[in-house]
Amino acid sequence: GAGVSQSPSNKVTEKGKDVELRCDPISGHTALYWYRQSLGQGLEFLIYFQGNSAPDKSGLPSDRFSAERTGGSVSTLTIQRTQQEDSAVYLCASSFDRAGTQYFGPGTRLLVL
Amino acid sequence: AQSVTQPDIHITVSEGASLELRCNYSYGATPYLFWYVQSPGQGLQLLLKYFSGDTLVQGIKGFEAEFKRSQSSFNLRKPSVHWSDAAEYFCAVASSYNTDKLIFGTGTRLQVFP
Repeated sequence: GAGVSQSPSNKVTEKGKDVELRCDPISGHTALYWYRQSLGQGLEFLIYFQGNSAPDKSGLPSDRFSAERTGGSVSTLTIQRTQQEDSAVYLCASSFDRAGTQYFGPGTRLLVL
Repeated sequence: AQSVTQPDIHITVSEGASLELRCNYSYGATPYLFWYVQSPGQGLQLLLKYFSGDTLVQGIKGFEAEFKRSQSSFNLRKPSVHWSDAAEYFCAVASSYNTDKLIFGTGTRLQVFP
């Protein structure tokens, strides 16, 4: 496809379970970003990848959150031992290179019961 | 630290009326500024951006924004609103040396009445 895709589009899980969220960036985009959009916090930066490395992990809220990117393409955001406050929309974006315009995916809506 | 303020949480306008959405930023140097729009169930779409040069920036869908350094503002405008413009609008800022990290405002929800 032409745009950034994310899966699943919706995820409902029980407190304490682990979840994995996937992002497929636009083909050829070297930079990939994760953001979280929640009612209480608005849009927050989580982590940024250039290629497969993550120079900036400053936005990850706790050590329960981790992300990886393989092959300079797909990225997975993993949340371990989910808590109710993790409920939010997780948005992924990609750009052609660092400092390029960020193009966003539709997001994954996570609900932790 | 960088921050963005969008003072209006919710704005309602009639179709055909003009629109101005306010955005104020806090940053010591010249920032990179962006406006994104989010329609229900959709991701964020870039409307326009300002990096340098002409302070009046034209974007897609007939939107424009003006960078005013003296007021630390980057307000979004449209002369005539269409019903399809109903959405949530986000202003964002990035520093010139760390454009990877966008700092977003809390958003303004626009409602358009026929």
